[in-house]
Amino acid sequence: GESVGLHLPTLSVQEGDNSIINCAYSNSASDYFIWYKQESGKGPQFIIDIRSNMDKRQGQRVTVLLNKTVKHLSLQIAATQPGDSAVYFCAEREGGTASKLTFGTGTRLQVTL
Amino acid sequence: ETGVTQTPRHLVMGMTNKKSLKCEQHLGHNAMYWYKQSAKKPLELMFVYSLEERVENNSVPSRFSPECPNSSHLFLHLHTLQPEDSALYLCASSQDPGHTEAFFGQGTRLTVV
Repeated sequence: GESVGLHLPTLSVQEGDNSIINCAYSNSASDYFIWYKQESGKGPQFIIDIRSNMDKRQGQRVTVLLNKTVKHLSLQIAATQPGDSAVYFCAEREGGTASKLTFGTGTRLQVTL
Repeated sequence: ETGVTQTPRHLVMGMTNKKSLKCEQHLGHNAMYWYKQSAKKPLELMFVYSLEERVENNSVPSRFSPECPNSSHLFLHLHTLQPEDSALYLCASSQDPGHTEAFFGQGTRLTVV
C-alpha cells in the first residue's frame, strides 16, 4: 500500500520577515534543548541550544526562547532569507541521563520571495 | 562538509543480507551517535558511544549491531532486516556524549527489499 509520511506543519514566510517556529516538549525533567535545521538531502545541522537554567539565548539572526512553565520552546529567525527554507526541529535531553535525546516532528519553513 | 562522513550514501539490501554502514569523523570528538530517520516517525536516537564505550542503547532490535573501534570510527552492522527498517540512518559526533553541538553526516539511505 501507499506509505504515508509524517505530516509536517508548514510555515510560509516572506523574505525579510521574521519567522517564529514553535515546539512543545513533554518532559519536565529535560535540562537541555537544541534546535536543528535540515535541508533536503542533508543531515540535520545544529543551530542553537539552550539549557534549562536560561529562558533566552541569542545567536546570529536566531533566538531561542524557553518557557518551562508551559514546556514550550521557540526559535525566532530574524530577516528570513531563502536559504533558511528547510525543516526545523527541536530536541530535548532528559536531565540526569546526558545521552538520552528526544526529537520533535519538525516544522517546514518556506520562504517566499 | 560537516567533518562527519558516512558511506555508502545509498544501500539496497535483501532481508537475508548482511551489510555495514560506516561513519568517520575528523573533528576530534569523543562521542558518536547513530540515529534513524524514517518517513513516519521523528528522528530517533539509536546508540551513543563515548570514548568507544556504548553509553546508550535506545531499545534497538538486535538485528542492528553497532561497533566503535576507536573514537573516530563508528559502524552499524545490519543483518536480517525488515522492510520497515528502510530509513535514513544518520551518524553524528560531538565533544561529549550529551549531544552538545553535534555535527551530523549526510546519512545512508537504506532500502530493505
